Amino acid sequence: QVQLQRWGAGLLKPSETLSLTCGVYGGSFSDYFWSWIRQPPGKGLEWIGEINYSGSTNYNPSLKSRLTISVDTSKNHFSLKLSSVTAADTAVYYCARTMYWGVPRFDSWGQGTLVTVSS
Amino acid sequence: DIQMTQSPSSLSASVGDRVTITCRASESISRYLNWYQHKPGNAPKLLIYAASNLQSGVPSRFTGSGSGTDFTLTISSLQPEDFATYYCQQSYSTPRTFGQGTRLEIK
Repeated sequence: QVQLQRWGAGLLKPSETLSLTCGVYGGSFSDYFWSWIRQPPGKGLEWIGEINYSGSTNYNPSLKSRLTISVDTSKNHFSLKLSSVTAADTAVYYCARTMYWGVPRFDSWGQGTLVTVSS
Repeated sequence: DIQMTQSPSSLSASVGDRVTITCRASESISRYLNWYQHKPGNAPKLLIYAASNLQSGVPSRFTGSGSGTDFTLTISSLQPEDFATYYCQQSYSTPRTFGQGTRLEIK
């Protein structure tokens, strides 16, 4: 049973860079894509982007200019960096496994972490 | 981006009721449609993938149907643990997009 565990700063000031890392424990790391998804307070879910074992990425165009997703295959970790944050980036951030066999889907999720952007 | 629209936005029902949630895509997505259940403080949980396939471990009272632009999630007999928010999500193209959610509340 795969487990995803994320860590990173929970409180940022405007213009700072949001940085989160998700560790993958159990199961295969190389057979999947790994995604970041967020949920602003009181709103729905927004897909941020994904990466695979070899570093191939897909980003949400709405965030692409500020976004970097990277992978550390030696540790089975993947990371999110979002630069120049504003209050609009305040959200619960989730990491998730993307199953690409058949219809792509997020079949395992880590617990969310609230990231607050406030001066 | 493909827009996903769910209806209703909220729904009140009783234990034992049959409920149906609808999801409409702004363009045809074939059967590239997934459903998730989300409870406060928890991570979302995959229920249905590829429009009608039940994820392992999910009770059979959950069924999905549809193709093209119109999809439904049906819960045949509501249980207390089913009161949550439900999201549809398309995987036909990137960016992956979600519906706005349907909040299922106890009547």
